[in-house]
Amino acid sequence: GNSVTQMEGPVTLSEEAFLTINCTYTATGYPSLFWYVQYPGEGLQLLLKATKADDKGSNKGFEATYRKETTSFHLEKGSVQVSDSAVYFCALSRPGRRALTFGSGTRLQVQP
Amino acid sequence: DVKVTQSSRYLVKRTGEKVFLECVQDMDHENMFWYRQDPGLGLRLIYFSYDVKMKEKGDIPEGYSVSREKKERFSLILESASTNQTSMYLCASSPGLAGAQETQYFGPGTRLLVL
Repeated sequence: GNSVTQMEGPVTLSEEAFLTINCTYTATGYPSLFWYVQYPGEGLQLLLKATKADDKGSNKGFEATYRKETTSFHLEKGSVQVSDSAVYFCALSRPGRRALTFGSGTRLQVQP
Repeated sequence: DVKVTQSSRYLVKRTGEKVFLECVQDMDHENMFWYRQDPGLGLRLIYFSYDVKMKEKGDIPEGYSVSREKKERFSLILESASTNQTSMYLCASSPGLAGAQETQYFGPGTRLLVL
């Protein structure tokens, strides 16, 4: 079946540090891959996505590259800010299935 | 902007009560979803609907039912609430035009406590 595995949190970083949150997946066919972010007290919102192998999604300084050979979609940001503190979810959606399969989420805490 | 609203941010119910969670979207989306979010488990799909009166079970439908009588509204029903249904419930919608590549838009969530 389909599954998404994320690194466990919390991840605690100082402001301006480099961020990597690992995400690997198992899926049949060619899924689309997503990162969603949940700020405190809010619902999830799309951060970025990639729909085919070697695509790079990017938004707000975050990037992730769809790596089919390693079945990975790691999230990176060169310099985090306190306002990036949130829970980050990796997710996949495969053709023919409308719903998303989510990872367990990774909480990021950025300290000033 | 797409707006997905949920009827309550917090609910406290007693075991055995029938509970209704309401979700409304304002962008004429075809698809609507109910997920529950639990620590360490991420989001798990309960039910989704791809058209009025049409629904499909998700991964954890037991103990839940849904209703979609109008396109903009999708209700989740706990027929007889139990303590193991204490959770955060998230509603989402998507346009229904681009298949697996589509963005889902989420409401703010309802935190339900069943005593």
